[in-house]
Amino acid sequence: KAGVTQTPRYLIKTRGQQVTLSCSPISGHRSVSWYQQTPGQGLQFLFEYFSETQRNKGNFPGRFSGRQFSNSRSEMNVSTLELGDSALYLCASSPNGGVRTEAFFGQGTRLTVV
Amino acid sequence: AQTVTQSQPEMSVQEAETVTLSCTYDTSESDYYLFWYKQPPSRQMILVIRQEAYKQQNATENRFSVNFQKAAKSFSLKISDSQLGDAAMYFCAYNGGGSNYKLTFGKGTLLTVNP
Repeated sequence: KAGVTQTPRYLIKTRGQQVTLSCSPISGHRSVSWYQQTPGQGLQFLFEYFSETQRNKGNFPGRFSGRQFSNSRSEMNVSTLELGDSALYLCASSPNGGVRTEAFFGQGTRLTVV
Repeated sequence: AQTVTQSQPEMSVQEAETVTLSCTYDTSESDYYLFWYKQPPSRQMILVIRQEAYKQQNATENRFSVNFQKAAKSFSLKISDSQLGDAAMYFCAYNGGGSNYKLTFGKGTLLTVNP
């Protein structure tokens, strides 16, 4: 069974640009979550989607958005990039996102904003 | 809001010895799960072990075991017979279920294994 796939693995963008990251969950998983990982703030929850609906959102500005498609693949978008958006963005999938289900992580997308 | 605290930014252990990583958490919920995740240099987060709050028995997975003290809100990870491949960043995480659908992570502990 294929794992969680995140593309691209690395990105370099300029301040003010926008970026879209993609996450393909494990087959059969309907919940996809996104996390931002930085050395200073650690791992912070961005949002979670289940069956194309956002069920929870972390404390991030509106420049961070996401969506989920009918095949459970998810994308996150960051507009008007700032230097502070440089981070590792991790995607996790699980069957239903509930407390008793294990989350499986992808290898992440390393975003560098210059 | 739930918080997870890992007070040891770095730890080191000799190969074949035992090391314990600490984690404390704060919550008012009664139904929750606790996890230890490992993140090697490859960046892939890998689940090491999990513990359901309602279970009094401490979880064990091969060389990995936890000491879950619910009243003290403590959840430590013990690694026995440490191996070079155990070197990684270890994160303690909390999932309170309900309508949160998210993991709350500690800041992590960087474990070095010395040969």
